[in-house]
Amino acid sequence: AQTVTQSQPEMSVQEAETVTLSCTYDTSESDYYLFWYKQPPSRQMILVIRQEAYKQQNATENRFSVNFQKAAKSFSLKISDSQLGDAAMYFCAYRRISSGANSKLTFGKGITLSVRP
Amino acid sequence: GAGVSQSPSNKVTEKGKDVELRCDPISGHTALYWYRQSLGQGLEFLIYFQGNSAPDKSGLPSDRFSAERTGGSVSTLTIQRTQQEDSAVYLCASSLGVGIYNEQFFGPGTRLTVL
Repeated sequence: AQTVTQSQPEMSVQEAETVTLSCTYDTSESDYYLFWYKQPPSRQMILVIRQEAYKQQNATENRFSVNFQKAAKSFSLKISDSQLGDAAMYFCAYRRISSGANSKLTFGKGITLSVRP
Repeated sequence: GAGVSQSPSNKVTEKGKDVELRCDPISGHTALYWYRQSLGQGLEFLIYFQGNSAPDKSGLPSDRFSAERTGGSVSTLTIQRTQQEDSAVYLCASSLGVGIYNEQFFGPGTRLTVL
């Protein structure tokens, strides 16, 4: 079974600074998808960024980028120029890619990010 | 159009009572998922519907939990004889399909409190 680990329960960053959120996962599969989701106090989960494991290039979405280290099974999220609106819980998630596989997401426990003005 | 909606937003019930949680997916989305988010935990998969295929119920924690999806649209998650450990936020998500670019869109969840 696949597992996703987010070992830091909380982090804090100064507005306009850069912060990196860590995530590791365990799988025996060679192809899969990885995601970062944001959950603000409204509870609505929002997709931040996605990465296909077979792509070597790290995904980037505006101020958000990932550092995907497949051999180390590490998938960290970097938020540049942090904004007050970035304060939320962030979840790392894994999804199988194999044919016929359930497309459910397996989530880590999340990390609470606070942004100091 | 509208996003995924869930009702009620909050539900308080007494131990032993049955509850029904509703999810209205985005129109045209064939895949629907239920997840549970307990305090301090990540989201835990419960059940998955895809088109007319048999649902994947592998995440349901006990036989007190069941779900159905009528007409390929609205889904209801039913918890019978609720227990205090059932207290959690129940999130529903839908997607147009199951490929990677078929993003799962989440609803705002139902916060269930069992007294």
